[in-house]
Parts: sequence; structure tokens; C-alpha cells
Amino acid sequence: EVQLLESGGGLVQPGGSLRLSCAVSGFTFSMYAMSWVRQAPGKGLEWVSSISGSGGSTYYADSVKGRCTISRDNSKNTLFLQMISLRTEDTAVYYCARDSGSYGTFYFDYWGQGSLVTVSS
Amino acid sequence: DIQMTQSPSTLSASVGDRVTITCRASQSISNWLAWYQQKPGKAPELLIYKASSLESGAPSRFSGSGSGTEFTLTISSLQPDDFATYYCQQYNSYPYTFGQGTKLEIK
Repeated sequence: EVQLLESGGGLVQPGGSLRLSCAVSGFTFSMYAMSWVRQAPGKGLEWVSSISGSGGSTYYADSVKGRCTISRDNSKNTLFLQMISLRTEDTAVYYCARDSGSYGTFYFDYWGQGSLVTVSS
Repeated sequence: DIQMTQSPSTLSASVGDRVTITCRASQSISNWLAWYQQKPGKAPELLIYKASSLESGAPSRFSGSGSGTEFTLTISSLQPDDFATYYCQQYNSYPYTFGQGTKLEIK
């Protein structure tokens, strides 16, 4: 059974930093690209970042470029999102999602339960 | 960036109704389109990929069609479990973009 479990969310002050993790199981992690998608309270879905199966290619939304770094540890089946210089508009539930392939552009076939990040003073 | 526009934003319908949600892309995305269902407090779930392919485990009352810039999601006979919010997503190119969502409500 495919499982994705996010952790690391919480309350952070504007300008602060946070690292989200997503531990996966039930599939060969390195064979799939992975992504982060967020959802602000009461709003729609917004793609944040993606990383190829090998970790050699990364992609970012303009809204987080330069402030977020996606990475993965294929030996530990874990995906990360390091966020710095956080803004109030970054407040959202952050979902990790499995891309439907390893390298290229894909839809998301499995999602985690989400981790809430609240940026507030 | 490719803009995705869904209509309507809200749809009121009754159990047993046939409903259609439309998603338009600002430029051609071939058939690189997915549909997701999201219930309150839950993660989205994949329903349709490649515009018309039904995800394994998704009910057969869901179907998708379209190519290029115009796409539709149809539910042939609404069931109580179908009242949720639906999103389209293009994966033709980065940045991936979603439609704003269509909330399907009980009439």
C-alpha cells in the first residue's frame, strides 16, 4: 500500500524558516518524481515544487522560487521542502504528492494527508 | 504560464442527476489533463488522467473528455458521496497549474 506521511509543519513567524518532510512507503521511491502542492485556508490547490526521481532536476513555482528548496533522500525514502523567509501568504496545508513517473511532467496519483504551516506573528 | 479556468465555480444538483464540469486551458495542452476530487479536510484524490483515462478504483460514473484547450468531467448519475470540490490540473508543462475548483453542492 502506497503511503505518504508529511511532518514538520507548525507555527512560524514571518521571516522564519521551516523544513517539511514526507516519509513514503509502499513503492520504489527513486522511480518516481515527487511534488509539493499547497492549499491556503479556504482556497484552491497551488503547485509549489517538483523533483525528479534521481533528484537531479528540480522545479519551482515563481511564488516560492529562491525561498524554497526541494530535495530527497532516496536511501531513506524521504522528500523534503526547506522554506526560508516565510511570509504570511505561505500559510497553507502542504501536501506531498507522488508524480506518476520518474522524469518529465506528470499528474499526481497519490497524496499525503497534508501538513499545516501557519506564518503569523 | 498556462491558465486553467473551470466553470461553474459552484454547481447545485440532486442525487441521480447527470452533471458536467468544464475546464479550459489558456493554450493547447494536448490531453495532458487530470481531474481530482477533494472532500473537506481531506487530500485530493485522482479521478481522471490524460483527459479521459479513469484512475484505477475510481467509480465508472466518472468520465472525462476533451483535448487541446477544452475539457469536461461528467458524472453520469450523482451519488451522495460525490458532493465535493473538483479540480482540473494541466501537466503539459511547468509550472503545473490547477483550475480554481468547482464545488458540487446538494440541491
